Amino acid sequence: NAGVTQTPKFQVLKTGQSMTLQCAQDMNHNSMYWYRQDPGMGLRLIYYSASEGTTDKGEVPNGYNVSRLNKREFSLRLESAAPSQTSVYFCASSEFSGIGFSGNTIYFGEGSWLTVV
Amino acid sequence: DAKTTQPNSMESNEEEPVHLPCNHSTISGTDYIHWYRQLPSQGPEYVIHGLTSNVNNRMASLAIAEDRKSSTLILHRATLRDAAVYYCIFTYNQGGKLIFGQGTELSVKP
Repeated sequence: NAGVTQTPKFQVLKTGQSMTLQCAQDMNHNSMYWYRQDPGMGLRLIYYSASEGTTDKGEVPNGYNVSRLNKREFSLRLESAAPSQTSVYFCASSEFSGIGFSGNTIYFGEGSWLTVV
Repeated sequence: DAKTTQPNSMESNEEEPVHLPCNHSTISGTDYIHWYRQLPSQGPEYVIHGLTSNVNNRMASLAIAEDRKSSTLILHRATLRDAAVYYCIFTYNQGGKLIFGQGTELSVKP
């Protein structure tokens, strides 16, 4: 059981380049999330998708776009990478979210280390 | 704002109990309190969650104050593998977003 799988694990980009981080989960979860974590900091929510076909902004959405391709996959795109986007990116999933969401466990991927030079 | 307050760091000796506090004064009546931990260079992993009553599982116990404005994660016997950043979080009552704070970095001394 793979859980949440992210690719790539490591990437170096030049300023202005674009790239897409891929995420897939095999737990039949409805909700998926993208977080970023800067050195020595906690996680900050970029975007999330409560269910297939919906996406919503989190705390730090600027500079990113997301696509919920199907129930399994949730991708994060950097259209024009900036050094400020150097970070570790975590994808996560949970069975539910939305109004009244309560105690579902969130499962995280292993992270994608992105450096923008 | 869905904010939690935790000490930046704590220290423990191996095989001693550890009590990690968290304040969440803005929590609503329907929000669950979640605890996750993050080992170095890994994604966060679930530890425990609860609503009103104290909760136990194989990893830890969660003690929730009667007014629900604070909670304490209890590791009954700390091991070196418990050294991690521990996050106390709760959901917004709309949308289910989980917002992480700074967490508490726990170090365990042999």
